[in-house]
Amino acid sequence: QKEVEQNSGPLSVPEGAIASLNCTYSDRVSQSFFWYRQYSGKSPELIMSIYSNGDKEDGRFTAQLNKASQYVSLLIRDSQPSDSATYLCAVRQGGAGSYQLTFGKGTKLSVIP
Amino acid sequence: NAGVTQTPKFQVLKTGQSMTLQCAQDMNHNSMYWYRQDPGMGLRLIYYSASEGTTDKGEVPNGYNVSRLNKREFSLRLESAAPSQTSVYFCASSAGGDTQYFGPGTRLTVL
Repeated sequence: QKEVEQNSGPLSVPEGAIASLNCTYSDRVSQSFFWYRQYSGKSPELIMSIYSNGDKEDGRFTAQLNKASQYVSLLIRDSQPSDSATYLCAVRQGGAGSYQLTFGKGTKLSVIP
Repeated sequence: NAGVTQTPKFQVLKTGQSMTLQCAQDMNHNSMYWYRQDPGMGLRLIYYSASEGTTDKGEVPNGYNVSRLNKREFSLRLESAAPSQTSVYFCASSAGGDTQYFGPGTRLTVL
């Protein structure tokens, strides 16, 4: 069973702080990693994708990948109330030619003004 | 550019009724997917179509059928709805095996 694990939260941070969201996965041959944001009652929207070990930054968001530890994280700097949402980690598990994404159950983030 | 569209947005069915959820994308993507999302269970893949003319089962295919009508359209059919199929259904598409873009969802209640 290929699994993607996230803390369900809720994770509460004050406005302006750094929010740290974590995700672990079970399949060592996983190729691609994604973070989606989902507001209540809405569909998931892509925030970032990461494919190589290390950090990838996009504005206030930084994704970090460590394939040896099977760990991917998302940092949100200068958190805003508008960042309050559920964050879904998704992993394309399996080798080349695999089309299936496995999603974690999501971490609910609340940014307190 | 509408992206991924789904119809209907809401539906209420009685047990045993049938219905088809429609999905269309205008991004010229090869691959399309159907997910269901339940509280505490996350997003689970029902079926997917890697390319026009092919479909494959995902994690939870029982009770569902799909049709890849053409490159743009991918439908999900419930032949005999059950209360356990009450869920939010999302369609998604991707250019290949990577980034998936989601539609707005269909909220289905089976009584």
